[in-house]
Amino acid sequence: DGGITQSPKYLFRKEGQNVTLSCEQNLNHDAMYWYRQDPGQGLRLIYYSQIVNDFQKGDIAEGYSVSREKKESFPLTVTSAQKNPTAFYLCASNQRRYTGELFFGEGSRLTVL
Amino acid sequence: GQQVMQIPQYQHVQEGEDFTTYCNSSTTLSNIQWYKQRPGGHPVFLIQLVKSGEVKKQKRLTFQFGEAKKNSSLHITATQTTDVGTYFCADLNDYKLSFGAGTTVTVRA
Repeated sequence: DGGITQSPKYLFRKEGQNVTLSCEQNLNHDAMYWYRQDPGQGLRLIYYSQIVNDFQKGDIAEGYSVSREKKESFPLTVTSAQKNPTAFYLCASNQRRYTGELFFGEGSRLTVL
Repeated sequence: GQQVMQIPQYQHVQEGEDFTTYCNSSTTLSNIQWYKQRPGGHPVFLIQLVKSGEVKKQKRLTFQFGEAKKNSSLHITATQTTDVGTYFCADLNDYKLSFGAGTTVTVRA
């Protein structure tokens, strides 16, 4: 089955540690996205990538980093510079030129203790 | 970036009743997508509206795009317990989706 796989589902880390969230898709989509969701809020865009080896900052990129070395993979690193990292992180993808629906992974819930 | 505002933030509905959630923007929207997120789940695409005045139906759900393309609405008739969740509208602009804060719907049986 085609889809987006995020791992881990749940992650606990101490303050000051960097954390990398995995996102893999087998939909052959060009574009991939990372969103952050906090309780009672909408989804806020962290980073997005339209093509391999290229990515752009979203609305809340500070304290995060990404890479796009393969079409299928778009990992997100939450660095120690992110002041409030506890959140639900969602990875998504869609076709680059077909501006249609986003397909989401099941999310990763990060808790920083 | 452009912001879409959703109202109400919370909607408590008696099973069987109708309700409407609204998505508003101060600027013209290129197109609107609607998503539903069940409690504990991830957003799932419902529909995309592109044309001014467009109306689309999915069973008990009716989606509208305003004539001026500055607002959109989702109307649900005869609410069921399966309608529980958060409904988001999102504006697609420059290959990016900007989401509203969502309307969280609870249903009283």
